[in-house]
Amino acid sequence: KAGVTQTPRYLIKTRGQQVTLSCSPISGHRSVSWYQQTPGQGLQFLFEYFSETQRNKGNFPGRFSGRQFSNSRSEMNVSTLELGDSALYLCASSLIGQDVSEAFFGQGTRLTVV
Amino acid sequence: AQSVTQLGSHVSVSEGALVLLRCNYSSSVPPYLFWYVQYPNQGLQLLLKYTSAATLVKGINGFEAEFKKSETSFHLTKPSAHMSDAAEYFCAVSPPYSSASKIIFGSGTRLSIRP
Repeated sequence: KAGVTQTPRYLIKTRGQQVTLSCSPISGHRSVSWYQQTPGQGLQFLFEYFSETQRNKGNFPGRFSGRQFSNSRSEMNVSTLELGDSALYLCASSLIGQDVSEAFFGQGTRLTVV
Repeated sequence: AQSVTQLGSHVSVSEGALVLLRCNYSSSVPPYLFWYVQYPNQGLQLLLKYTSAATLVKGINGFEAEFKKSETSFHLTKPSAHMSDAAEYFCAVSPPYSSASKIIFGSGTRLSIRP
């Protein structure tokens, strides 16, 4: 079956703009988590959505937001982009009630802010 | 609280040599432990996982790791390195029966393979 799909794969935005990234989980998976990966900070948890509700949130400013739709697809939005937001954004999906040993990652969206 | 430390941000070995990537963890509860591999501009792929069953865990691509509670370690090994093993490797820890949001990742070790 298809894996976790993230779109777009690459994105270039200007400082001050906003951006929306998309993640389609594996069919049947209802939990989606988002991560930011940078050379300096490594992999940092952004938020998790489950059944259209944000279940957990990492330590990021309010410019970072997300949502999940009834088909489990998730989007994350970053407003007022800063140069430091340049990163690889990864999402991971898992089944209802399954523990973390079953989380699957997408290929990521590479965001460059100029 | 949980944390994971990967010793060595960059490891270089010759093709055919032993690969050893070190990971130590800290956890107040019996942990789940993972090794992930990431190729350039790609997502994370699970290599192997320890979830409180056998302490020697075998994964994909010939990798294995041994959970040593007394040493709080979960080192990744492969007997013979291949050029295709060049990538970044992440050790991770989480509480059992939790979601992906609880995964704590190490800072990563970049593995280079010399011909």
